[in-house]
Amino acid sequence: EPEVTQTPSHQVTQMGQEVILRCVPISNHLYFYWYRQILGQKVEFLVSFYNNEISEKSEIFDDQFSVERPDGSNFTLKIRSTKLEDSAMYFCASTLGRVQKFFFGQGTRLTVV
Amino acid sequence: ILNVEQSPQSLHVQEGDSTNFTCSFPSSNFYALHWYRWETAKSPEALFVMTLNGDEKKKGRISATLNTKEGYSYLYIKGSQPEDSATYLCASSYNTDKLIFGTGTRLQVFP
Repeated sequence: EPEVTQTPSHQVTQMGQEVILRCVPISNHLYFYWYRQILGQKVEFLVSFYNNEISEKSEIFDDQFSVERPDGSNFTLKIRSTKLEDSAMYFCASTLGRVQKFFFGQGTRLTVV
Repeated sequence: ILNVEQSPQSLHVQEGDSTNFTCSFPSSNFYALHWYRWETAKSPEALFVMTLNGDEKKKGRISATLNTKEGYSYLYIKGSQPEDSATYLCASSYNTDKLIFGTGTRLQVFP
């Protein structure tokens, strides 16, 4: 079965540094998402991307965050200046439609020190 | 603020037992309800997506029902096996792109 792949699986970064989390969604999917889970908390929505633009973003997704789909296959999440509270597991997901099953990657564990 | 609740938080059962969990969600402007199975160190795996009141879906020994009027869904596992051990997440959506997740129910099945 096709799958969503994420790299790296684990990233440790210093506070204030920029990080880029990478995802390769399933090739014929149309909607792309980033979610995150801070340890001990619920999985929370960050941003959705459709038709080459952001379709919705949460309050968490401030100016420090950006997403790109530069080449039609990769989907990246950039955090410009990381904070300690950005430490979380970040999940990429893709789907054919909003009432279709979401396919999630295995996640990138981001640790900000 | 939309809040999705799941109960119980965790469950320990013996192999062969049947079990069920609950997901409660706000029913106003409801769009869809998703169930995911999430094993440690793996990606969440979609089980079901349901939209209509009274929907029932089945996949092997796992089934789910949906009541959109009162805002709940049940997930049933018949004859639990050790390989069913995982966290079961539900998530609802409301005419927007985002899924709102519950905290999950952690199931452990002992041989």
